[in-house]
Amino acid sequence: AQSVTQLDSHVSVSEGTPVLLRCNYSSSYSPSLFWYVQHPNKGLQLLLKYTSAATLVKGINGFEAEFKKSETSFHLTKPSAHMSDAAEYFCVVSDGGGFKTIFGAGTRLFVKA
Amino acid sequence: NAGVTQTPKFRILKIGQSMTLQCTQDMNHNYMYWYRQDPGMGLKLIYYSVGAGITDKGEVPNGYNVSRSTTEDFPLRLELAAPSQTSVYFCASRQGPTGGSGSYNSPLHFGNGTRLTVT
Repeated sequence: AQSVTQLDSHVSVSEGTPVLLRCNYSSSYSPSLFWYVQHPNKGLQLLLKYTSAATLVKGINGFEAEFKKSETSFHLTKPSAHMSDAAEYFCVVSDGGGFKTIFGAGTRLFVKA
Repeated sequence: NAGVTQTPKFRILKIGQSMTLQCTQDMNHNYMYWYRQDPGMGLKLIYYSVGAGITDKGEVPNGYNVSRSTTEDFPLRLELAAPSQTSVYFCASRQGPTGGSGSYNSPLHFGNGTRLTVT
């Protein structure tokens, strides 16, 4: 069975500073990993996905994530936060067959001016 | 491009009433999912389906039922509504494995959600 843990429920950064949102996973199979973003009262948007072709994955809006198998982590980063990045971010894991797809509890990102 | 369509968008139920949340997708995806999202929380998987006629329980299936008679439709049934089922419900679909590379990594496509209140 797979599971996903987002290590921080809230993260607060100043505009222009780096963002780090942490995610650890467990999976019995080679996992599929994703990050989704949800802006207030909006739907969910895919930020990026791990494809196994490269451990460093680039997504939209300047976000990227690094898959580290030894640490079972898939942390999301961005070099410089923008006010528009304030949202809820979800780390998602699918099992090897892509059947069950489980969400982490989410990390709310606050960006201060 | 309709994508994933959920109806209704809002609904208020009394305790003990029943209802069906509708979900349909026009992308010919074989995998479909129902999630619930409580305020300030992540999404919890209720049920999922990997194809017509095949469904399975997710993390929080109690109080719900599903069916998948066609590829397009995946309705979620609440038989005896309880206040604990007050939530926002999201339906999602994705392309399941087709044998090609990257088929396990297809992203989820979400509907716009149904906000359900049980009083």
